[in-house]
Amino acid sequence: GAVVSQHPSWVICKSGTSVKIECRSLDFQATTMFWYRQFPKQSLMLMATSNEGSKATYEQGVEKDKFLINHASLTLSTLTVTSAHPEDSSFYICSARDGRTPLHFGNGTRLTVT
Amino acid sequence: DAKTTQPTSMDCAEGRAANLPCNHSTISGNEYVYWYRQIHSQGPQYIIHGLKNNETNEMASLIITEDRKSSTLILPHATLRDTAVYYCIVMDGGSQGNLIFGKGTKLSVKP
Repeated sequence: GAVVSQHPSWVICKSGTSVKIECRSLDFQATTMFWYRQFPKQSLMLMATSNEGSKATYEQGVEKDKFLINHASLTLSTLTVTSAHPEDSSFYICSARDGRTPLHFGNGTRLTVT
Repeated sequence: DAKTTQPTSMDCAEGRAANLPCNHSTISGNEYVYWYRQIHSQGPQYIIHGLKNNETNEMASLIITEDRKSSTLILPHATLRDTAVYYCIVMDGGSQGNLIFGKGTKLSVKP
């Protein structure tokens, strides 16, 4: 089945620094990737939609200058949390689709900002 | 907003069948029913999906009522590793969009 790999699985960073999270589709080409965020005891909330070769589309309330998304190839999308603050601490999850298969998800990245 | 209604939580004895209900009374003709689950601190895992016929795979069975207003996910022999939050989601079959997650059902499988 379709495999989506996310790296790192967890990261701790200091306030004010930037963190990059990678999302790769391992056995298919992902025309579209989605980035979600999940706070404790809450459901997944979509942050942005990333299409290969074009700018990401952000959901209302998500700062595009803070959460930089790059989808430079059909197998890789990156999310960079810039100038991270403790309130950005969350579980970030990517998902990918090749246009035919159901949406498949990475295993998430636990970000802790100290 | 999520278009489905699920119980907040359910318990199931290990080895027994787990039947998870989902109401989707406003589903339209071209919308599929998808089931995912999320084990603690992991990404959601695809389980099964269907349009109107019942579906079965190695993980579960999906029973959709004839009027398509509700469905049931069946895990035939639940194990402790099936403890997770189960999400029922409806989405247009032709859509390339994202999945909208509701609160899901927290299934606890007990020994």
